[in-house]
Amino acid sequence: DQQVKQNSPSLSVQEGRISILNCDYTNSMFDYFLWYKKYPAEGPTFLISISSIKDKNEDGRFTVFLNKSAKHLSLHIVPSQPGDSAVYFCAARASGSARQLTFGSGTQLTVLP
Amino acid sequence: KAGVTQTPRYLIKTRGQQVTLSCSPISGHRSVSWYQQTPGQGLQFLFEYFSETQRNKGNFPGRFSGRQFSNSRSEMNVSTLELGDSALYLCASSLGGQAGYNEQFFGPGTRLTVL
Repeated sequence: DQQVKQNSPSLSVQEGRISILNCDYTNSMFDYFLWYKKYPAEGPTFLISISSIKDKNEDGRFTVFLNKSAKHLSLHIVPSQPGDSAVYFCAARASGSARQLTFGSGTQLTVLP
Repeated sequence: KAGVTQTPRYLIKTRGQQVTLSCSPISGHRSVSWYQQTPGQGLQFLFEYFSETQRNKGNFPGRFSGRQFSNSRSEMNVSTLELGDSALYLCASSLGGQAGYNEQFFGPGTRLTVL
C-alpha cells in the first residue's frame, strides 16, 4: 500500500514555462513534506519542504503547496530551466518518526530548450 | 565539507550470496538511514541508526541487517541474496538530534545487481 503517490511518472515542459509536479498521500499522521531532486548516478538532494501547519512555502523559483483536506501537495517550478531536468521525489514524515521518510515513486521532469 | 560516501558504487553478486555495503556520513552527523530504490517503487526505508543503535526499522525481511560504528560509519548486510534484491541502495546522514526534523543528505548509492 503506497502511502505517498506520484501518479505521473514523467512530465515534459518547455523552457521558461511552469512545471507542476503532484503528489498525493493517504496517511493522516504525516506532518512534514519534502521534495527531493535526483540526477542520474547521484543521490537525491533536498529541494524544499513544508510543514503541515502551512499551506505554501516558497524558495526562489520553487514553491510547494499543501492541501491537507485533499491530502495533496504540489511543487511549482517557475520558470523551468533545462538544468531542472531530473527525477523529483515527494517524501513525507509521520509525527514521531523524525528520520523515517516515506517516498513516492518519482516523476521524471524533462525541460525542453 | 565532504559529503556522504558509499562504497562500493557497483556490485554484482549471485543468488544465495551475501553482501556488505558501507556508508560514511558527513562529519558530525550521528544518524544514518538506509533506503532501497527500485524502478517504480521510489525509495523504501530500510532502517536508521543513531549512536550505534537501530532507532527505526522498515518492512524488510530479516535478511537485511545493519550496524553502526562508534565513528558513525554504517554498514548494511544482505544475506541469501534474491534476484529481487537488485536495486540502488542509498544511505542518508543527518545530525540526528531529537528536536524537530533534521535534513537528510544522501550519498550516491551502491548499485547492486543479483544474477
